Amino acid sequence: DAKTTQPNSMESNEEEPVHLPCNHSTISGTDYIHWYRQLPSQGPEYVIHGLTSNVNNRMASLAIAEDRKSSTLILHRATLRDAAVYYCILRDSGGSNYKLTFGKGTLLTVNP
Amino acid sequence: DAGVIQSPRHEVTEMGQEVTLRCKPISGHNSLFWYRQTMMRGLELLIYFNNNVPIDDSGMPEDRFSAKMPNASFSTLKIQPSEPRDSAVYFCASSLAGGSADTQYFGPGTRLTVL
Repeated sequence: DAKTTQPNSMESNEEEPVHLPCNHSTISGTDYIHWYRQLPSQGPEYVIHGLTSNVNNRMASLAIAEDRKSSTLILHRATLRDAAVYYCILRDSGGSNYKLTFGKGTLLTVNP
Repeated sequence: DAGVIQSPRHEVTEMGQEVTLRCKPISGHNSLFWYRQTMMRGLELLIYFNNNVPIDDSGMPEDRFSAKMPNASFSTLKIQPSEPRDSAVYFCASSLAGGSADTQYFGPGTRLTVL
């Protein structure tokens, strides 16, 4: 499975934008890039996913590098409720495409 | 929509006892997953069902663990006999199709403590 590398932790201030990076230099051409987050004492929650083009939804934006070897999750205005562990996950299109393989993720702290 | 429902939310048991965790997936979803989360190993997939059939159980730790899905709206994860190292949070998730672009919806988890 292609692996991802994320910083262990990041800190942000409330109402400021947050850019969470993810490196995936061994990504294959058909791997989807997914982001999930886990708030304290809750199950993981889907945030966004993309393949090649940048994506926006009500929660966040996903910026994918042209060579697809890295991506950035953008929270446009962080709130205290966004404090969570953010996981960047690659999902292949092969036989095990159902799998979500979680790494350690990035612990985001949001300061008031 | 009620989301994925898990019960119990907390379970405390003694070593050697049987433990049964329950999950009700989102109605209409045909894929169901059981995950386990520990500090040491993080989140790991235990077993995956598609259309009530186990497809991948390679993550099940050992024979003490078993999972069933008798119908589309119910699944159980059983540990017999339980051991202290089984203490973890167990999550159930469901999705519409199970493909690489598919979204998995997680339940709130069951926190299991084996004394």
